[in-house]
Amino acid sequence: GAVVSQHPSRVICKSGTSVKIECRSLDFQATTMFWYRQFPKQSLMLMATSNEGSKATYEQGVEKDKFLINHASLTLSTLTVTSAHPEDSSFYICSAGQGYVTDTQYFGPGTRLTVL
Amino acid sequence: DAKTTQPPSMDCAEGRAANLPCNHSTISGNEYVYWYRQIHSQGPQYIIHGLKNNETNEMASLIITEDRKSSTLILPHATLRDTAVYYCIVRTPQGAQKLVFGQGTRLTINP
Repeated sequence: GAVVSQHPSRVICKSGTSVKIECRSLDFQATTMFWYRQFPKQSLMLMATSNEGSKATYEQGVEKDKFLINHASLTLSTLTVTSAHPEDSSFYICSAGQGYVTDTQYFGPGTRLTVL
Repeated sequence: DAKTTQPPSMDCAEGRAANLPCNHSTISGNEYVYWYRQIHSQGPQYIIHGLKNNETNEMASLIITEDRKSSTLILPHATLRDTAVYYCIVRTPQGAQKLVFGQGTRLTINP
């Protein structure tokens, strides 16, 4: 299957700072990538859809000014958590697909964010 | 996308077949059934998907009932590494469509 990577795998930051998470499709081009958040013992919740060359589409209740998404190329999308607070501590996961008719989404390994 | 219902947890002995059920009674004619699993602290892993015919790959088999209202994921010889949360998701395959995750089934493989 296709490979999606994320960097960093884990990050600890102080409250008020910003953190950038990268999502890369390693062996295919992805016009669309998705960002999910997962709190302990809960399922994945979609945050936003990242479209190459255009603005991201955010799910209801997700603050677009707090979670900045940039999809500058067909293999890279970034999620920046601005002015992070302890409640933003979570497991952030991206996914990407090749955009074919029977598109299968492949997931990155996730990034564990801890805000102190 | 149609809603799915899965048992919250299941246990299976190592070496035996693990059969995970999923109900999707409101599935539409053009919606596929996808299965993913998530091992603790990792991103979800794609397992298999199908429309109406049974499917098999190196990881698992997918059995879809004739009326397509339910399906079963079969892990033929479960190992301890198969312990994970398994998600059954129904969606249309058009373009790049988002996945909506339910609570899934927590499968525990016992030695």
